[in-house]
Amino acid sequence: RKEVEQDPGPFNVPEGATVAFNCTYSNSASQSFFWYRQDCRKEPKLLMSVYSSGNEDGRFTAQLNRASQYISLLIRDSKLSDSATYLCVVNRLYNFNKFYFGSGTKLNVKP
Amino acid sequence: GAGVSQSPRYKVAKRGQDVALRCDPISGHVSLFWYQQALGQGPEFLTYFQNEAQLDKSGLPSDRFFAERPEGSVSTLKIQRTQQEDSAVYLCASSARRAGSQETQYFGPGTRLLVL
Repeated sequence: RKEVEQDPGPFNVPEGATVAFNCTYSNSASQSFFWYRQDCRKEPKLLMSVYSSGNEDGRFTAQLNRASQYISLLIRDSKLSDSATYLCVVNRLYNFNKFYFGSGTKLNVKP
Repeated sequence: GAGVSQSPRYKVAKRGQDVALRCDPISGHVSLFWYQQALGQGPEFLTYFQNEAQLDKSGLPSDRFFAERPEGSVSTLKIQRTQQEDSAVYLCASSARRAGSQETQYFGPGTRLLVL
């Protein structure tokens, strides 16, 4: 079983829509959680860390559900520029240097 | 300011050839990571350096893969006797402090390796 699993998509949504992705992780010792964004043929860039209480950054909201071992990303008022692949990343307590990436969820925002 | 740089950006190698991929992390960054990203997949961890010390190499797929960071800044990933399954994008990332729970990694643009 993969450490981190994501729906590959693509999610095709119109501009202005709200879209949500989930990501599940298999190891209950996972401690830190992130969402990265990767544009086509570019490097991943940190979108946001995910905190236990949930956190928001502008149009982006991240939530963590430890009981069910998933994290979510909600994007409100989608922009064309949000089109990218969104990578879920976790690492484990006591092994902070090893980061596990999901395969990514592709988002296409259409005009 | 300068980000993480990698060279070459593209490399075509014949099967059996040795290759060396270079990473220049952000100046002063303590932590350096190498990842392998196959088409349509997320990055897979290869190895981690804290300064010049290679603290984790558990992700290196075989003994043909070797990484070093002798002075705690520039790092080189070497692949000996390349195979077609080594074709991938090799990403380097650095972060300011030793690996911690919420430490941000900054990625370089990657080296796209194609083994024929």
